[in-house]
Amino acid sequence: GAGVSQSPSNKVTEKGKDVELRCDPISGHTALYWYRQSLGQGLEFLIYFQGNSAPDKSGLPSDRFSAERTGGSVSTLTIQRTQQEDSAVYLCASSDLWGEQFFGPGTRLTVL
Amino acid sequence: SQKIEQNSEALNIQEGKTATLTCNYTNYSPAYLQWYRQDPGRGPVFLLLIRENEKEKRKERLKVTFDTTLKQSLFHITASQPADSATYLCALTNDYKLSFGAGTTVTVRA
Repeated sequence: GAGVSQSPSNKVTEKGKDVELRCDPISGHTALYWYRQSLGQGLEFLIYFQGNSAPDKSGLPSDRFSAERTGGSVSTLTIQRTQQEDSAVYLCASSDLWGEQFFGPGTRLTVL
Repeated sequence: SQKIEQNSEALNIQEGKTATLTCNYTNYSPAYLQWYRQDPGRGPVFLLLIRENEKEKRKERLKVTFDTTLKQSLFHITASQPADSATYLCALTNDYKLSFGAGTTVTVRA
């Protein structure tokens, strides 16, 4: 079946603009994760959704970052008033509860 | 705070040889340790999971060890092939939240 998909694959924006990144998880996976990967760095956990439970937002770096997951499926990560340090690859993953995580190809965000 | 360190240098090896990657951690007692492979422009792909009460796990040409006393995992690729060239990430967890190392880039020369 289809894997995790993300859109757009690349996003170039100007400092101060808002951006929305989308993730379509594998159908039936209850858990969804967002990570950020900066050049030469490990993946940084941002947020975790599990079913109808309250999300774990402990990794969001500032209040400019927010995410939602509608209908237990598609998720959107929103970054408001983007800064240059937000430039990174944003990766989404889904899993069946705490199982193996399946990652999407990522969205490369460049803030000019 | 917890810290996860992987080989700081990239690994270049000859085809057919064994590649050995290290993952060391501090200030953490993970219940599980996972290894992922990441190719350029792609998301990580899960390879192996080893539990804290397991010493060794194998999958085809891959072998992982987990030493909770040394706080270290070793990842071996035996009979390496050029197709094994990629970045390999270790990840530690006690639940759903994975903490990743920065990765080690392996290049296998034909």
